[in-house]
Amino acid sequence: GNSVTQMEGPVTLSEEAFLTINCTYTATGYPSLFWYVQYPGEGLQLLLKATKADDKGSNKGFEATYRKETTSFHLEKGSVQVSDSAVYFCALSVFGANSKLTFGKGITLSVRP
Amino acid sequence: ETGVTQSPTHLIKTRGQQVTLRCSSQSGHNTVSWYQQALGQGPQFIFQYYREEENGRGNFPPRFSGLQFPNYSSELNVNALELDDSALYLCASSLADRETQYFGPGTRLLVL
Repeated sequence: GNSVTQMEGPVTLSEEAFLTINCTYTATGYPSLFWYVQYPGEGLQLLLKATKADDKGSNKGFEATYRKETTSFHLEKGSVQVSDSAVYFCALSVFGANSKLTFGKGITLSVRP
Repeated sequence: ETGVTQSPTHLIKTRGQQVTLRCSSQSGHNTVSWYQQALGQGPQFIFQYYREEENGRGNFPPRFSGLQFPNYSSELNVNALELDDSALYLCASSLADRETQYFGPGTRLLVL
């Protein structure tokens, strides 16, 4: 079956620090990969996505590269801000009968001023 | 262009009761998916509706059921509520069953 594994959290960083959040996956078929972000008390927002190997998704200074050889989609940001504090979910979908999303457990990021 | 909306935002029920949650999809989107997010966990897929037909179901019992209407809005119904049904219920819409999903703010259900 399909699964997503995220690094254990929570993660606490100082403002302007470099961020890496690891994500690896297993999938039957060829998945698309996503990062969603959830701010306190809110639903999920799509942060970025990549649909094929070696694609790089980017948005709001965040980047992630689809690495088929290592089945990974790690999220990075060069300089985090306090406003980046949220829960980050890695997810995949395999286009078939439906494109249901399979999520990781999520990781909480707290950024200190 | 309006995004995905859900109602109500919060709900408290007791064990054994029934609940209906509602979702309005983003303008132009014909596919709605429902997810359950337990506290501290990632969302779990419940089912998807595409053009008013169920188009896939996750590992949830039959007491979780749904509908999609001609305007593509959707309902999630849960019968015989259990304590473990307490969660955030998220609705997501997409242009078709193979496109990126956009989520609503969710309905937080508490079962006492």
